[in-house]
Parts: sequence; C-alpha cells; structure tokens
Amino acid sequence: EIVLTQSPDFQSVTPREKVTITCRASQSVGTGLHWYQQKPDQSPKLLIKYASQSFSGVPSRFSGSGSGTDFTLTINTLEAEDSATYYCHQTSSLPFTFGPGTKVDVK
Amino acid sequence: QVQLVESGGGVVQPGRSLRLSCAVSGLTFGNFGMDWVRQAPGKGLEWVAVISYDGSNKNYVDSVKGRFTISRDNSKSTLYLQMNSLRTEDTAVYYCAKSSTSGNYAPFDIWGQGTMVIVSS
Repeated sequence: EIVLTQSPDFQSVTPREKVTITCRASQSVGTGLHWYQQKPDQSPKLLIKYASQSFSGVPSRFSGSGSGTDFTLTINTLEAEDSATYYCHQTSSLPFTFGPGTKVDVK
Repeated sequence: QVQLVESGGGVVQPGRSLRLSCAVSGLTFGNFGMDWVRQAPGKGLEWVAVISYDGSNKNYVDSVKGRFTISRDNSKSTLYLQMNSLRTEDTAVYYCAKSSTSGNYAPFDIWGQGTMVIVSS
C-alpha cells in the first residue's frame, strides 16, 4: 500500500497570502496524484487531477506540481472561502489511498 | 446536472448487514467507474471499493474484503455497497464517487452528499 503524508497538518493564514501544501508518497505514483478540498459538512471536491491539471471550474489561484513521490498544492492569493481541509489522493495503484489532510484556516 | 444521491445509511448493531445505494443522474452511468469512500467522524478520507464501468472488475481495501460487496445496475443507474458483518470501526459517512474515466485508475470528479452509517450496540 502506498502511504501518503502531508505537511503541514494545519496552517492559519490571512487573506491574500500564499499557501503551499506538500504531499509525499512512500513510493512513486508517477502523476497519479490528485487534490481535493473539503469544507465542513460537505463532500470533497476535486481541485487538481494528475498532479498539475486543474479541474473544470476551479479558480486559477489553485495549482499543483510534482511527480514521482513529491507533490505540491499551491493556493495563491488566499480568499476566506478557501478555509477547508485539503487531501491528496493517489490512484496509481490499488488500494487507492488518501493523505491525512491539511486544514487551512483563513483568519 | 450530474447528481449522485446516496441512501440506505442508519444505525445497525455489530454483526448485522446494511445495503447502501447511490442513484446517479445527469450522465451515462455505464460509461464510468465508480467508487465508495468513507470518512469516520472527525477523521480523514478512506477509499473503500471500486467497480469498473461494466461491473467486471472490483477491488476493495483490505479491511472490508470478504465483508463488503460493491455492485452496480447500469439499467437503473445505481451503485450499491452491500455491507455484512459490520463492525464498530465501520462507523462513517459513506460517499459514492464517480471516476472521471471508464477505467478504475482515475480521480473522482463528482461525489455524492454522503450517507451516515453507525454501527453500535
């Protein structure tokens, strides 16, 4: 099983700041790594697919990069509505796995 | 628009069974793989099972193998999760999620709102 670790666990930021979340895989997943946003009491929403491809309708301030074992989600010019937990997710090999999540709080 | 609506959750005693359903509308259901993902209260996301577009290929996380069965009825645009021998650790919100392709190794681009399963005596 591929284990995904994320850092940081929690980040408190002010609006218009930039946030960078990292996801590290225990073995290579190529570009089979995706990012989701989950707000309280809502289902997750796909932000970035295949490491760097923006999903339809996602604001351009969200971007992803990386391949192999190291990946980054960047949120530029943070807005209050970006307060959420962010998860990385690999579909390179079964069983599919998720990272533990990074909670972002926009003050 | 595309909608995934789960149902069938509830409170059940350990060792009992429950069947979840996920009704899909707004797309050609039989063209896409489907997954179940769960989230225990206050915890992160855990992938549970996947089924290919035609139902011929299924895979499960180890913790549910032999107890849970994923299936689909393309004529009814509905996904199922039969959960047997339920344990307290199966308590979670269960989401159905649509694969972005017909294959199994793709991101989940649409999610349902979730249905809560509580396993308790």
